[in-house]
Amino acid sequence: ILNVEQSPQSLHVQEGDSTNFTCSFPSSNFYALHWYRWETAKSPEALFVMTLNGDEKKKGRISATLNTKEGYSYLYIKGSQPEDSATYLCAFRGDSGAGSYQLTFGKGTKLSVIP
Amino acid sequence: NAGVMQNPRHLVRRRGQEARLRCSPMKGHSHVYWYRQLPEEGLKFMVYLQKENIIDESGMPKERFSAEFPKEGPSILRIQQVVRGDSAAYFCASSLRTDYGYTFGSGTRLTVV
Repeated sequence: ILNVEQSPQSLHVQEGDSTNFTCSFPSSNFYALHWYRWETAKSPEALFVMTLNGDEKKKGRISATLNTKEGYSYLYIKGSQPEDSATYLCAFRGDSGAGSYQLTFGKGTKLSVIP
Repeated sequence: NAGVMQNPRHLVRRRGQEARLRCSPMKGHSHVYWYRQLPEEGLKFMVYLQKENIIDESGMPKERFSAEFPKEGPSILRIQQVVRGDSAAYFCASSLRTDYGYTFGSGTRLTVV
């Protein structure tokens, strides 16, 4: 059973603060790591798909890094805004066997940005 | 660009009835995935389909659950003889390629009474 852990479970920050959270995943048989943003009453929205160790991706004020050797990824939000309030999900995709098309999701980090 | 369309949004079924959940992928996407979210749980993989083919159904319960993605029309997730434990949110996603990010639908919330 694959284990994808996200921490913290929830986070409250003031508007303008920068923040980051962690996704831990298996360090073997790695294929890709996905990040999604899921706002209440909406669908999960793809942020990044990361495949290479050392990868860094950026989209506006949100960026992510990837360390496949130690099995973690960080998501950073610079200058948080109330519209960043959402649950951020990471999902691991392995490269072996029958499960290689599956994404294994973490339970998410729920971010609340206080105006 | 209508995105991934799922219907119905909410579905109530009595125990023993059948539930049919529909998913129309984004235009041009031939890869469809179904995920289930049980209360207090994360998204769990159920099945991956391409047109007319089930590629990976290892996440599907062995009985009562089936999925299809016909040549014409939406993908269907069918649950026969529903039980209370089937109550969950069922999400469909599609992608242009398997190594691209997914586009998710809004989900179907199934309640079994």
